[in-house]
Amino acid sequence: QQQVKQSPQSLIVQKGGISIINCAYENTAFDYFPWYQQFPGKGPALLIAIRPDVSEKKEGRFTISFNKSAKQFSLHIMDSQPGDSATYFCAAKLGGYNKLIFGAGTRLAVHP
Amino acid sequence: NAGVTQTPKFRVLKTGQSMTLLCAQDMNHEYMYWYRQDPGMGLRLIHYSVGEGTTAKGEVPDGYNVSRLKKQNFLLGLESAAPSQTSVYFCASSYGGTGTEAFFGQGTRLTVV
Repeated sequence: QQQVKQSPQSLIVQKGGISIINCAYENTAFDYFPWYQQFPGKGPALLIAIRPDVSEKKEGRFTISFNKSAKQFSLHIMDSQPGDSATYFCAAKLGGYNKLIFGAGTRLAVHP
Repeated sequence: NAGVTQTPKFRVLKTGQSMTLLCAQDMNHEYMYWYRQDPGMGLRLIHYSVGEGTTAKGEVPDGYNVSRLKKQNFLLGLESAAPSQTSVYFCASSYGGTGTEAFFGQGTRLTVV
């Protein structure tokens, strides 16, 4: 019940295209859903996050769409750039314990 | 501002050896976490702490111990290393509470031979 399932495992997008990564969860006690970006040899860094009472959040080229009834959320990267090439992790937070549960990650490659 | 600092960055251990990974944060965060990252499995929570002197088990605690004697430090110990513990270990910290960001260190790459 604490799992967060992420897909796809890898993604190749052309420069200027839209990258879409999907996540699903079961535990309705999750109260915060962040996305982390990780470059090789670095630790993950917060990219964008959403709370379950909001259906969409946009920050620049990055948008989270959240479907509470379906228990799904997704990251959309508009106008994808080679510099966006990284591994992306969705996560869900259990409020009472402040534990972040991560998805398996998506390796994104944006080709010029 | 250093943020979250992990030492060492790399280590090779022989099976059965012990070692301690150190995590230090200078942001006065209450919450600290240890994760391991393995290919195709994302980041899995090993242990975490909600304040000085407290520790709790995460998803994969077996074979690891932790201590939080000072608020700024969180130590991860391997008493008898096994090849299955070959991984990249990340420490993170946060203020706690809904919506607070977790800040990660640069990671420690551990190989057990």
